[in-house]
Amino acid sequence: DSGVTQTPKHLITATGQRVTLRCSPRSGDLSVYWYQQSLDQGLQFLIQYYNGEERAKGNILERFSAQQFPDLHSELNLSSLELGDSALYFCASSEGTGLNEQFFGPGTRLTVL
Amino acid sequence: AQKVTQAQTEISVVEKEDVTLDCVYETRDTTYYLFWYKQPPSGELVFLIRRNSFDEQNEISGRYSWNFQKSTSSFNFTITASQVVDSAVYFCALQRTGGFKTIFGAGTRLFVKA
Repeated sequence: DSGVTQTPKHLITATGQRVTLRCSPRSGDLSVYWYQQSLDQGLQFLIQYYNGEERAKGNILERFSAQQFPDLHSELNLSSLELGDSALYFCASSEGTGLNEQFFGPGTRLTVL
Repeated sequence: AQKVTQAQTEISVVEKEDVTLDCVYETRDTTYYLFWYKQPPSGELVFLIRRNSFDEQNEISGRYSWNFQKSTSSFNFTITASQVVDSAVYFCALQRTGGFKTIFGAGTRLFVKA
């Protein structure tokens, strides 16, 4: 158990809908990272937050957004969902701003029908 | 361009065999980190090792060992005396110092048969 929690574990929704994925980092970790793992794109870094502020951006679509709250939990919002957004979404956390060991949550499996 | 290549898509071995997973990376950065992660069938990602670009010492942890060669931009991972529980997908990753973007390879699926 990495100490990172993600909810929900599974999510099934329809195209065009909007969903919110939630992540709680390990106690004491200030950084949260979001990753998408899909069959065709592999494992891709989406975005990083550190202590409430966006720190790094990867291949995150404009339809996706994230935020980190004062209690350090983070949410990834996915809107206007398409079939291709079906994937496993991981959250990870680390102590500092980067170049640290990242601890991954169990992931949220999103299925868009 | 930053890139991580894991040329071996799938490897199948019999228990107790040694197996090496290859990782080749491309970066223009002089300072960077390399990682290996394991993703067992249950789906979670498990951190195995982090290596910074200035430390080319090989590392051994139990049955696992890593060979980092900057001259060939490779960071290979060897499992000695493989076990069925080693069956998983293994990812090599590169993390840049600027922006902290982490780039993953496509992964190598390892099957260890009893």
